[in-house]
Amino acid sequence: NAGVTQTPKFRILKIGQSMTLQCTQDMNHNYMYWYRQDPGMGLKLIYYSVGAGITDKGEVPNGYNVSRSTTEDFPLRLELAAPSQTSVYFCASRDQGALSEQYFGPGTRLTVT
Amino acid sequence: AQSVTQLGSHVSVSEGALVLLRCNYSSSVPPYLFWYVQYPNQGLQLLLKYTSAATLVKGINGFEAEFKKSETSFHLTKPSAHMSDAAEYFCAVTSTGTASKLTFGTGTRLQVTL
Repeated sequence: NAGVTQTPKFRILKIGQSMTLQCTQDMNHNYMYWYRQDPGMGLKLIYYSVGAGITDKGEVPNGYNVSRSTTEDFPLRLELAAPSQTSVYFCASRDQGALSEQYFGPGTRLTVT
Repeated sequence: AQSVTQLGSHVSVSEGALVLLRCNYSSSVPPYLFWYVQYPNQGLQLLLKYTSAATLVKGINGFEAEFKKSETSFHLTKPSAHMSDAAEYFCAVTSTGTASKLTFGTGTRLQVTL
């Protein structure tokens, strides 16, 4: 199993450009999450989904959008990139149950200049 | 609301020495607590988790953590550090009824020296 995969690994955007970060999991997990990681700040939840067609905001959703049309995919959209969105983005998924482990992808390092 | 505080953003130990990484939590409901490890340029992977079944939890790579409700703590320990333990460690908290959203601490970077 590939687990959680993310593409691209690295990306440089100019201010105002748009892009989609891709996330796919092959574990048939209902729950999926997007986090951003900034130095010294830990991980902050951007958006999450509890199943196909259901998404909700996390702690830091401004400037991002998500969709969940299938169980496997959970893309994150940046519409108008800003320097404040320079970060490392992680996607994660987990099975049912509060104690289920979250499985993380390898991350996407995004720089907005 | 839930939160996690990790004391010490950087910890340095000698190889073979005790590792102690501190985590204190705040939660109005019974918490579930996790420790994750992140090696350079990688995603996070689970070290161990507290599920209320036992207060002393053993994880992978020789790590363990003890849940102390009276101290609202869940400190991570390892008796003898190895060079391969050098990484960033995150404590996280969740509870039922929150879609199991994890709230992470700010992380502690562990350095292991010869």
